[in-house]
Amino acid sequence: AQKITQTQPGMFVQEKEAVTLDCTYDTSDQSYGLFWYKQPSSGEMIFLIYQGSYDEQNATEGRYSLNFQKARKSANLVISASQLGDSAMYFCAVLGSYNTDKLIFGTGTRLQVFP
Amino acid sequence: EPEVTQTPSHQVTQMGQEVILRCVPISNHLYFYWYRQILGQKVEFLVSFYNNEISEKSEIFDDQFSVERPDGSNFTLKIRSTKLEDSAMYFCASIGFGGLSSYEQYFGPGTRLTVT
Repeated sequence: AQKITQTQPGMFVQEKEAVTLDCTYDTSDQSYGLFWYKQPSSGEMIFLIYQGSYDEQNATEGRYSLNFQKARKSANLVISASQLGDSAMYFCAVLGSYNTDKLIFGTGTRLQVFP
Repeated sequence: EPEVTQTPSHQVTQMGQEVILRCVPISNHLYFYWYRQILGQKVEFLVSFYNNEISEKSEIFDDQFSVERPDGSNFTLKIRSTKLEDSAMYFCASIGFGGLSSYEQYFGPGTRLTVT
């Protein structure tokens, strides 16, 4: 069974600084996908970034990048130049089933950006 | 940009009542999902739906739950007899083709269900 572990319940970062949110995963699949979603206080789930297990390059999307270390089974999210609007819950997820594409989520990290 | 929509945004119901949560997935998408998130907890998979049938369901998705795609656009989640512990945010999601080639699951804004 797939599992995601996010060990940081909360993180603080100053505006304009970079921050890394940790995520480790466990899966028996040879081919898998890793995702990060942002959930602001309004509740919606916003897709941020995806990393495929066979992608050789770390994924990047604007200020978001994914530090993918396959041997360590980690997929940390790096947010550069933090903004006040980045304050939210961040969830890491792994594709739980190749056939049905269900997502298995971690418990999340609450990021607070302060001025 | 296409989006998944959900109605209502907030539903309050009494224990034992039936509720139907509605979702309109993105029009050319083929795979549909329901997830739930109890307040302050992680998002949990409930059920996936493809080709007019359930393709996978979790332990949470017991006989009290059912899903339907009645008219080719709506995708509904019904809870037959709600319990207090069904209070949660319910998210609908969809993807186009399935498999790792379609990497982004588009989530709707959620329906907050409160059972009193």
